[in-house]
Amino acid sequence: AQKVTQAQTEISVVEKEDVTLDCVYETRDTTYYLFWYKQPPSGELVFLIRRNSFDEQNEISGRYSWNFQKSTSSFNFTITASQVVDSAVYFCALSEAQAGTALIFGKGTTLSVSS
Amino acid sequence: DTAVSQTPKYLVTQMGNDKSIKCEQNLGHDTMYWYKQDSKKFLKIMFSYNNKELIINETVPNRFSPKSPDKAHLNLHINSLELGDSAVYFCASSQRGWGGAEETQYFGPGTRLLVL
Repeated sequence: AQKVTQAQTEISVVEKEDVTLDCVYETRDTTYYLFWYKQPPSGELVFLIRRNSFDEQNEISGRYSWNFQKSTSSFNFTITASQVVDSAVYFCALSEAQAGTALIFGKGTTLSVSS
Repeated sequence: DTAVSQTPKYLVTQMGNDKSIKCEQNLGHDTMYWYKQDSKKFLKIMFSYNNKELIINETVPNRFSPKSPDKAHLNLHINSLELGDSAVYFCASSQRGWGGAEETQYFGPGTRLLVL
């Protein structure tokens, strides 16, 4: 069975600190996809990144970076120099490489960035 | 030019009523989904449709019935609403990629349902 674990329920940091959100997944599939979504206080779900299981290259997008390690089944997300606008719930998700398959979400990590 | 839209955004109703939530996507995607987010923010799939065909039907009470009139629309009808149905319901869509896997799912703004 597929499962996503986000062990950090809540994280509080001060602006400009770096913060890493952990994500550990379980799957028996050899091909799968990993995602991160952001849910700001306004409530919408914003797509951040999608990663194919065959591509373990780390990715950087501005202040955001992602570290994918198949050996530890982890897909961690780091925000560098955090800002108040980064305050949100962040969800890690997993899906199989099949038609119509659903996202399996972790329980989310609430990030609070104070000024 | 909203990609995935849902109406209404807020829905307050009495127990026992029947209500519908509408979802439309203008991305040209083949697959659409309904997810439920509970009070603890946990997101779980309810249904998925591909080209009007039901693909996923999770363990959801029969009171919930999805309807897909065309591939751009997926509506959710709920009969005999109960207190426990209070949640945020998200519609999403994705394009089926080459090889059959679904590409990124994009979500609507959510419908906040409160049953009194």
